[in-house]
Order: sequence, then C-alpha cells, then structure tokens
Amino acid sequence: DTGVSQNPRHKITKRGQNVTFRCDPISEHNRLYWYRQTLGQGPEFLTYFQNEAQLEKSRLLSDRFSAERPKGSFSTLEIQRTEQGDSAMYLCASSAGGGTDWGNEQFFGPGTRLTVL
Amino acid sequence: GQQVMQIPQYQHVQEGEDFTTYCNSSTTLSNIQWYKQRPGGHPVFLIQLVKSGEVKKQKRLTFQFGEAKKNSSLHITATQTTDVGTYFCAGLRAGSYQLTFGKGTKLSVIP
Repeated sequence: DTGVSQNPRHKITKRGQNVTFRCDPISEHNRLYWYRQTLGQGPEFLTYFQNEAQLEKSRLLSDRFSAERPKGSFSTLEIQRTEQGDSAMYLCASSAGGGTDWGNEQFFGPGTRLTVL
Repeated sequence: GQQVMQIPQYQHVQEGEDFTTYCNSSTTLSNIQWYKQRPGGHPVFLIQLVKSGEVKKQKRLTFQFGEAKKNSSLHITATQTTDVGTYFCAGLRAGSYQLTFGKGTKLSVIP
C-alpha cells in the first residue's frame, strides 16, 4: 500500500499521560501536515513540514503539542500531559510540491483516534 | 483569524435530486480545495480551484470559485447513493500553507 499510513489507529490514555503518534507519508511527498478533527467539524490544521523543516504551526496550538520530522520522511506528533479535550481524530496528510506552489492535493491517512479518560 | 463557513450543515435529498453546498471565506483566498469524507473514512481530495470565477466539472459535480475569491460552491446533479458523505471546502490564503476547512455539509441520499 503506497498511501499515507498512521500508527496506532486507536489510542486510549489516562489524563496526564503523554502520547506519541506516527505518520508515514507517501514516499515521494516532501510536504506533511497534521490535523485534528472532532465530531461534526472539519479538520483543524495543526502544523506543516516541508521536508524536515517545520514551516508553519497553528497559533492556537498548545505548547503541550510538538511534532518532528527528523529525516524528512516519517513524522511524529507528541501530546504531553493529555487532557480530556485532546480527545479527537488526529489526521496526517502529505502532498507533493515545491517552490512557489503553496497548495496542492493532500492525501490523508486513516487517522489515529485518541480517547483521553 | 481566517474563517471558512459552509451551508447547509445537513442536506437530505431524494436520489436523483440535485444538491448544492456553499462555502464562504472571511478573507480572500489564493485557492480553494474540496474534499469528500465518507462515514468512518478520511477526507479525499476532489478538486482545487485557483482562478477567480473558475468553473470545473467532474462528471455530475460542478465546482465554482467566486470572482472575489472569497466564496465557492459545489453542485451535484442527479444525486446517487454513492454521493453520501460530508463535503468540505478548504481555503488557502496567500503566503500560508495552512488549509482552513469549513465544518462541512453532510449529504444523505434517500433511495
């Protein structure tokens, strides 16, 4: 399967614990995005990587959230000291592109569903 | 910050009827994208519109981008049960990679 993959698919954790999610984008895609989606809402942008560089981050994003893409391939999203409000589907997407091309088709992964008890 | 609003939130149609969802941005966009999300699935890209006044067609789907690049619409002709899902518009501002999604329009098709 050459699509975007995410692990784990489901995560249940207790409030206050740290969690880490992984995203493997489509191999030739240099752009990677993280989103959060709650029921009845559209995906909410969290952060964007171009290769290994984190170029954009939502201003609304708590400092408990951090993301990395160390070698410009897979990415991890870590949430520290989880809260019940962090319960959501965390989606990763990747796209090709470069130069002055700001937008392009994004391919989404299946998501990681986080439940914080 | 940038807001993208979509109406209606829900739409129930009889199979064979037409369907339209509307998207409005609080700021001028450099481009707009449309995605479809099936129940239990992830968003799947449908199309991207870049030019002012642009109209694109994909079989029974017609997409429009407003002249001011602040609004867009998706029209489906003669809906089928396979059209069921939530349709999202997502706008991109100039100079940003942040795609801002609307809340979506959930389409139900009654056979």
